[in-house]
Amino acid sequence: EAGVAQSPRYKIIEKRQSVAFWCNPISGHATLYWYQQILGQGPKLLIQFQNNGVVDDSQLPKDRFSAERLKGVDSTLKIQPAKLEDSAVYLCASSLGTSNTGELFFGEGSRLTVL
Amino acid sequence: AQSVTQLDSQVPVFEEAPVELRCNYSSSVSVYLFWYVQYPNQGLQLLLKYLSGSTLVKGINGFEAEFNKSQTSFHLRKPSVHISDTAEYFCAVTYSSASKIIFGSGTRLSIRP
Repeated sequence: EAGVAQSPRYKIIEKRQSVAFWCNPISGHATLYWYQQILGQGPKLLIQFQNNGVVDDSQLPKDRFSAERLKGVDSTLKIQPAKLEDSAVYLCASSLGTSNTGELFFGEGSRLTVL
Repeated sequence: AQSVTQLDSQVPVFEEAPVELRCNYSSSVSVYLFWYVQYPNQGLQLLLKYLSGSTLVKGINGFEAEFNKSQTSFHLRKPSVHISDTAEYFCAVTYSSASKIIFGSGTRLSIRP
């Protein structure tokens, strides 16, 4: 079974530029999560989708971050314009059901460096 | 506020020695607890979880954790570690099936030969 796929693995941009990350979850998984992991910290939830609807985006900086999950399958996370403090690893995860007590399957992450 | 605290950012141990990684959470009527492991250059994967029932939970790779409601703790243990256990370990909590999962800041386990 294929795991959660993320791209690109690494991205370096200058501040005020834009960037987009893509995630393809495990086939059939209803719930998709985007986490931000800053160096030395644990993952912080940015947005959670169930199918193609948003369940929680309370910690997403909506003035610069946006995410979509069209057709309830793959998802894109965009940052525009980027700030220095956005340097982090962006993790995508998926889970089979809609309950948060189930196992999350993580991709390898997309490492963003903002100069 | 709902939170989870991992008291140690780094834990060095010798190979074949026992290890305990500490995790405390803010108290609530209901709580669901997880330990995830992140090996170098890999994504996080689930080690074990506590939803209900027996307070001693066994996971993969010989790890176990004990849910202690009175101390609001969910410490991870292994009686004898191996070099391959070198990784970062994250404790996580959710307070209902619909609440977001909150991760701790992680504990880096380094194994000395």
